[in-house]
Parts: sequence; structure tokens; C-alpha cells
Amino acid sequence: GAVVSQHPSRVICKSGTSVKIECRSLDFQATTMFWYRQFPKQSLMLMATSNEGSKATYEQGVEKDKFLINHASLTLSTLTVTSAHPEDSSFYICSARDGSNQPQHFGDGTRLSIL
Amino acid sequence: GEDVEQSLFLSVREGDSSVINCTYTDSSSTYLYWYKQEPGAGLQLLTYIFSNMDMKQDQRLTVLLNKKDKHLSLRIADTQTGDSAIYFCAVRGSSASKIIFGSGTRLSIRP
Repeated sequence: GAVVSQHPSRVICKSGTSVKIECRSLDFQATTMFWYRQFPKQSLMLMATSNEGSKATYEQGVEKDKFLINHASLTLSTLTVTSAHPEDSSFYICSARDGSNQPQHFGDGTRLSIL
Repeated sequence: GEDVEQSLFLSVREGDSSVINCTYTDSSSTYLYWYKQEPGAGLQLLTYIFSNMDMKQDQRLTVLLNKKDKHLSLRIADTQTGDSAIYFCAVRGSSASKIIFGSGTRLSIRP
């Protein structure tokens, strides 16, 4: 149980393109979803927290107009990297949990490469 | 704020036990997790423990919590080549929404 599916797994696109990444909880309702960014050989950096039906809460230094997060249903959250540039190239990982006392379950990540 | 520390590397012989250590600073941490990350993949929840527990065992995995010293450890018995990965310690307070990750420990297995 507690499977989180993240798509796509890899994206390569040109500078200026907007890219959408989907995160779905397959067998549970995700009241809260999280989006992380991970640089090579580093730990995860939390970008934002989203609760279903509410606006996302962004961490300090994360541009909300650059990284658009939508959590419209209890099983789906999306992260859109708008007008992506090479410096946005990274590994993006989502996670989800059902209830504040539950652990987070992670997707398999999306490797974004901007040329 | 909360700080979570782990050693960066651990090398063990196949078949031996691996012990990965983690220290944290916030004594109100209530939920303590161990995640495993294989190359190019997301994080897999291995096990977790609540602060009112001292020990939790699940097959080859044993988690020990020393609240006084704010020290968490993960023991992997009979380490296999498939255990090669990065292991992240993560903690969360009871009222906190987000969890704080350590830097990860890269476990390598030698024959």
C-alpha cells in the first residue's frame, strides 16, 4: 500500500518551455503533498507544502510564480516549472501523506534537464 | 531550528551488519523515519518509530532510539549487495507539518 506515482520520470526540453510534473497517490487520499528538489549528492530541499483545496505554502527563497503548484484533488498534485531555464535542471520529487500522523510516501522523482 | 546529522559514508562487508547513525537537535521530535534512496529513484520508506518507543524491529531492520542523547540508529542485519543505497534519517515534531532530513549516508557493500 501507500504508493505514490510521479510522471514523467524524465524530461528534456528547451529553455523557455513550461514543464508540468504530476504526483498521484494511488491507494490512499493525500491530504498533504510535498514537493522537493534534490541536487546531485545532496539531501532533499523542500520547495512547498500543499493541502488539498488550498494554496501551497512555499519555502523561503522558492519563487511561487516560477513553480506553480496545484492540489485540486485528494489524489493529485501538479508542479509546473514555468519558462524553465538551465538552472532549473534538477531532480524533483513529490511526497504525500494521509493525515498529520502518517509518514510521507515518495514518488520516484522526475529528472528535469533544460537545454 | 531542527538539525539532523549523519555521517556521509559507510562501507561494510557483505553478510555483516550495518549500523547507520543519526543525531538530531530538537527534543520535541515525535516521528523519526528512515528512508532508502537508490540511484535515480525516489525515497522508499523503510521504517519509522515514535518518540515513545525505544526500539522497533522489522525483519532485518532494527531501529534504536535514545531520546536522552537524541540519537537514532538503523541496523541492517546480514547486509546484502541490494542494500547499497543512500539512507536518510528524517525527523518531525508533533505539531510540525514538514520533516527535516539528514544529509544521507551512502552505504557501500564490499565482497
